[in-house]
Amino acid sequence: QVQLQESGPGLVEPSQTLSLTCTVSGGSITSGADFWSWIRQPAGKGLEWIGRIYTSGTTNYNPSLKNRVTISVDTSKNQFSLKLRSVTAADTAVYYCAREFSYWGQGTLVTVSS
Amino acid sequence: QTVVTQEPSLTVSPGGTVTLTCASSTGAVTSDYYPNWFQQKPGQAPRALIYSTTSKHSWTPARFSGSLLGGKAALTLSGAQPEDEAEYYCLLFYGGAWVFGGGTRLTVL
Repeated sequence: QVQLQESGPGLVEPSQTLSLTCTVSGGSITSGADFWSWIRQPAGKGLEWIGRIYTSGTTNYNPSLKNRVTISVDTSKNQFSLKLRSVTAADTAVYYCAREFSYWGQGTLVTVSS
Repeated sequence: QTVVTQEPSLTVSPGGTVTLTCASSTGAVTSDYYPNWFQQKPGQAPRALIYSTTSKHSWTPARFSGSLLGGKAALTLSGAQPEDEAEYYCLLFYGGAWVFGGGTRLTVL
């Protein structure tokens, strides 16, 4: 069964870049799925779709984040990654990666603070 | 900006039936929006229940079903169990971008 695990710094300073990686196990990132997604959730609030990447490399982003987000895939490592630039406190959230929207990682809390 | 609206909260009695809905600010929700539904319990990651309006995952309990109802996407829970108390989110597709609803807090009481 496919499993996903987010990893990356739990604390990022304002104006810096948030970088997270999602490692896929139990199957190849190039098979069995059309796309891989990032979603976030501020404490006590709802879910927000950040973006997705197809295994071909094609990406789609949330229009509200598009200017700051890059999602990439490294098929050799069975990983895909999220970069969010110029972060502020409003970017503090639990960040989830998902295979399409079926399988989700456990989430990782990222706090933006100096 | 596209807004997806869900009931903020609903209550259902154990063994009862409840329908959660998901509306789009752009108009009627159709199958072209590929409605998805998720269940989230406190401290846990969301769990997918329904995709493409009506399709269930292998782990989705039979008491959950998805449909289109009155221009909205709908999630019906028939025979509510105490363990169904959770937050439920819908997700709609807008030609390349996806938008989550604000969530419905379902109480089984």
